[in-house]
Amino acid sequence: DAGVTQSPTHLIKTRGQQVTLRCSPKSGHDTVSWYQQALGQGPQFIFQYYEEEERQRGNFPDRFSGHQFPNYSSELNVNALLLGDSALYLCASSSVREDGELFFGEGSRLTVL
Amino acid sequence: DAKTTQPTSMDCAEGRAANLPCNHSTISGNEYVYWYRQIHSQGPQYIIHGLKNNETNEMASLIITEDRKSSTLILPHATLRDTAVYYCIVFSSGTYKYIFGTGTRLKVLA
Repeated sequence: DAGVTQSPTHLIKTRGQQVTLRCSPKSGHDTVSWYQQALGQGPQFIFQYYEEEERQRGNFPDRFSGHQFPNYSSELNVNALLLGDSALYLCASSSVREDGELFFGEGSRLTVL
Repeated sequence: DAKTTQPTSMDCAEGRAANLPCNHSTISGNEYVYWYRQIHSQGPQYIIHGLKNNETNEMASLIITEDRKSSTLILPHATLRDTAVYYCIVFSSGTYKYIFGTGTRLKVLA
């Protein structure tokens, strides 16, 4: 049973570019959350998707957008990249039928030059 | 959002119990306490959670005070592989989101 998978694992972009990160949730999970983790900090909540809708959003600008597909997989898009967007981006999946336990992927490390 | 306060770092001798405290004085009645750990920039890993009662699983024990304003995660026999950052999180199913703090960096010493 595959857990949460994320791609790509590492990528380098330049300022102003756009990036798309992908996440496949754990089998049986219907909810996907995205977190940004800067070096030395705890993960910060970006948003959560359920039934292909954004259900909750953290304090992130509109440059950060997402999508959830009918198979529950999800994408995180970041436009007009800034140096400060360099971070580990974590995807976590869960199920509305279970307790709030989150299963995290290994993350996508984005470096913006 | 309920917030948590944890010590920045702690050391523990291998084989001894590691007791990691967490303060969550603004917790509401329907909010759970969750603990996760993160090893060397991997994705955070679930450890345990509780609402009011103490909980135990194969990894750890969670002791929640009667007023629910604080809790302690206990790793009964710490090993070198338990070296990680431990996050205490207050979670409400109504908000759907976890608020992570900066966590406690636990170093298990040989």
